Amino acid sequence: GQSLEQPSEVTAVEGAIVQINCTYQTSGFYGLSWYQQHDGGAPTFLSYNALDGLEETGRFSSFLSRSDSYGYLLLQELQMKDSASYFCAVRDNGQNFVFGPGTRLSVLP
Amino acid sequence: EAQVTQNPRYLITVTGKKLTVTCSQNMNHEYMSWYRQDPGLGLRQIYYSMNVEVTDKGDVPEGYKVSRKEKRNFPLILESPSPNQTSLYFCASIGSGDTQYFGPGTRLTVL
Repeated sequence: GQSLEQPSEVTAVEGAIVQINCTYQTSGFYGLSWYQQHDGGAPTFLSYNALDGLEETGRFSSFLSRSDSYGYLLLQELQMKDSASYFCAVRDNGQNFVFGPGTRLSVLP
Repeated sequence: EAQVTQNPRYLITVTGKKLTVTCSQNMNHEYMSWYRQDPGLGLRQIYYSMNVEVTDKGDVPEGYKVSRKEKRNFPLILESPSPNQTSLYFCASIGSGDTQYFGPGTRLTVL
């Protein structure tokens, strides 16, 4: 079967750095992406990795290791507004997207 | 402004009464998709479309239909809704770099 695993919850304080991991098991792989979703809102795109390595976009970075079927999202200088759910997603056989169950991040003052 | 719109935003209906959720995008994307979101399960792909008149099943297609007669519109049809289709539904339009632009969501309750 196809599956992605993420921690269900992560808690950190303002100003800290947090890493959200994602491991995947899919029938194919074209890329790993990350989305943020605030309560009551729609998911919004954060980052995408098709090749191994680190992609940086402001305070957010994403890493991919295809040989380990593993990636992570790194959030730096945490702010209260970063409290949200974060989803990883894999495009497997070229057209199908599979999402992880989501990680709920709570940022404490 | 790049936008994906969905209607209605909220819908309460009864078992067996056909309904359609509309989705429209203004980004000229070829790839569009429908998802349902249930607590603890993330988003699950229902159907997707790579272009006009080209649609395919995702992971949870049972009980749903779609059509793609024009590039901008991708409606989701529930011909005979059942209570297990009570969920939050998102339409997405997919651009380059696998960037998905999601609509605001439709919260459906089937009694």
